[in-house]
Amino acid sequence: AQTVTQSQPEMSVQEAETVTLSCTYDTSESDYYLFWYKQPPSRQMILVIRQEAYKQQNATENRFSVNFQKAAKSFSLKISDSQLGDAAMYFCAYRSAVYNQGGKLIFGQGTELSVKP
Amino acid sequence: GAGVSQSPSNKVTEKGKDVELRCDPISGHTALYWYRQSLGQGLEFLIYFQGNSAPDKSGLPSDRFSAERTGGSVSTLTIQRTQQEDSAVYLCASRHDWTRDTQYFGPGTRLTVL
Repeated sequence: AQTVTQSQPEMSVQEAETVTLSCTYDTSESDYYLFWYKQPPSRQMILVIRQEAYKQQNATENRFSVNFQKAAKSFSLKISDSQLGDAAMYFCAYRSAVYNQGGKLIFGQGTELSVKP
Repeated sequence: GAGVSQSPSNKVTEKGKDVELRCDPISGHTALYWYRQSLGQGLEFLIYFQGNSAPDKSGLPSDRFSAERTGGSVSTLTIQRTQQEDSAVYLCASRHDWTRDTQYFGPGTRLTVL
């Protein structure tokens, strides 16, 4: 079974600075997808960024980028120029590419990010 | 267009009562998922519907939990004889189809069992 681990329950960053959230996963599959979701106090899960395992290039979305190390099974999220609105719980998630797995997401425990003005 | 909606937003019930939680997915999305978010267990998958196929119920924690999806659209998650450990946020997500893998989440229903 696949597992996702986020070892940082809480992180803090100064506004305009850069912060990196860590995520490791365990799988025997070679093809899969990885995601970072953001959950503000409103509870709405918002997709931040996604990575396809067969792509070596790291995904980027504006201020958000990932460092995907497939051999090390590591998938960290870097937030540049942090903003107050970035404060939220961040979840790393894994999704198998195998059709009969149904596409369900396996989540890490989450990292609570606070942004100091 | 409209996103995933869930109702009620909050539900307080007494132990032993049955509850129904509703999810309206994004129009045209063929896949629908239920997840549970609790302090002790984190975010966990409950059940998955894909088109007219039999649902994947592998994540349901007990036979007190059931779900249905009518007409390939609205879904209802039913918890019978609620227990205090059922207290959690229940999240629904929908996905367009297998080739477009992003799941879009609703705001969740916070269930409190007294």
